[in-house]
This record gives sequence, structure tokens and C-alpha cells, in this order.
Amino acid sequence: QSVLTQPPSVSGAPGQRVTISCTGSTSNIGAGYDVHWYQHLPGTAPKLLIYANSNRPSGVPDRFSGSKSGTSASLAITGLRADDEAEYYCQSSDSSLSLVFGGGTKLTVL
Amino acid sequence: EVQLVESGGGLVQPGGSLRLSCAASGFSFSSYWMHWVRQAPGKGPVWVSRISSDGSIITYADSVKGRFTISRDNTKNTLYLQMNSLRAEDTAVYYCARKGPSPYGLDVWGQGTTVSVSS
Repeated sequence: QSVLTQPPSVSGAPGQRVTISCTGSTSNIGAGYDVHWYQHLPGTAPKLLIYANSNRPSGVPDRFSGSKSGTSASLAITGLRADDEAEYYCQSSDSSLSLVFGGGTKLTVL
Repeated sequence: EVQLVESGGGLVQPGGSLRLSCAASGFSFSSYWMHWVRQAPGKGPVWVSRISSDGSIITYADSVKGRFTISRDNTKNTLYLQMNSLRAEDTAVYYCARKGPSPYGLDVWGQGTTVSVSS
């Protein structure tokens, strides 16, 4: 069982908007630690998608956005494309400065 | 090209040992903190260990403390994970990852190396 809770799966049609939630606690997200999001295709290296709650690394399209409030965070993807189909993970830290992850959300583009 | 390449995974019996390596290229390896993260089949990623840029600060997840040792050789641009007293629950894909400059997360990952612990 992962420290951060994500829905196992979400889906949407091309062009639509989907959101992925990430719920933590007062020991991690709620304690003020940043949330980062990663995109992972099987057999490839995970890719940093959003850092520090809402920032996009260079090269990540603005279709991807992140937000954080209280003990939760969310990743939104607009204008869904077939190549967005992947596993998405959230990550934060806890009071011992260990990294904590969500269990992952499988995005299916219908 | 910025790259991390893991190696050293394989099949090992319970109680055995393995040493994983992570070769870095395309960036100033000695300037970055590095992490090991593992992912068991069908599960989310789990943080294993971190090491500071000069190797002076090291932390471990409780699940591996006393069994795993992280180290680095900045002259060889290589990160290591020595894994002893392996258990079935250590079976996972092991990734090395670079901690980006604050407030970045893990901004560069390898493709992983598979460790299977079974008799």
C-alpha cells in the first residue's frame, strides 16, 4: 500500500480533459512538502512532468498542469492525445525527508 | 545527452547479494544528489536510498536499512547499491534517479534493472 493515494485508473476520449488526484496526509503533502508528478511508459525511464506542485520542466506541454491544496494534489491533462496513455505517479516527501510515492494511475485514451 | 544506465540486476536466492550500478553521462555527476527507487510488479514506486553529491550524507528506507549500502564514485560517474541479505520482497525493478536542483523532483531516471529474489 502506497503512502499517497491515487485512483488506479482514469480514462478519456481524445481532446477531453482528465484529472488525477493524489491524496496524502499532514505528514507529507499537508506538511508543506512539494508534490511532483511523473509519467511512465513501461520499459522506459520515468519522466518528470510537474515539479513543485505546479511547474512544468522545459519541454513539457502546457496541456499538463498541477495544483496542490491541503493534503492533496491534482494533475490535469487537457486536449488528451493517444500518446498520453501511460502510468502517472505523484511523489512528495515526509517529515523524515524520505520520498513517498502514490500507487500510480493508469490513463487510458479511449 | 543526459543519461543514467543501470546494470547488475538478476536472479538471486534469498539471503544472497547483488551490486547494482548506475552509470551517469551527459552531466556533472559530482554536483547532484542521487537516489535509488524500486518498483515491485504491479505496485507503485518505493524510495530506497539517497546519497549527497559528495557522498557524505546517506539515508535509507527502513525496509532496507542494515542490508543495503548506497555509494558513489565521482571519478567514474557511477552510483552503486550493494544489496545483502536479499528477501523475496526485494524483488522489483530498481531505478537510479538524479535529484534536480531545488525545487525540482527526480529529473532524470534510468530505465531500471530487474532484481528477482527466489529459490
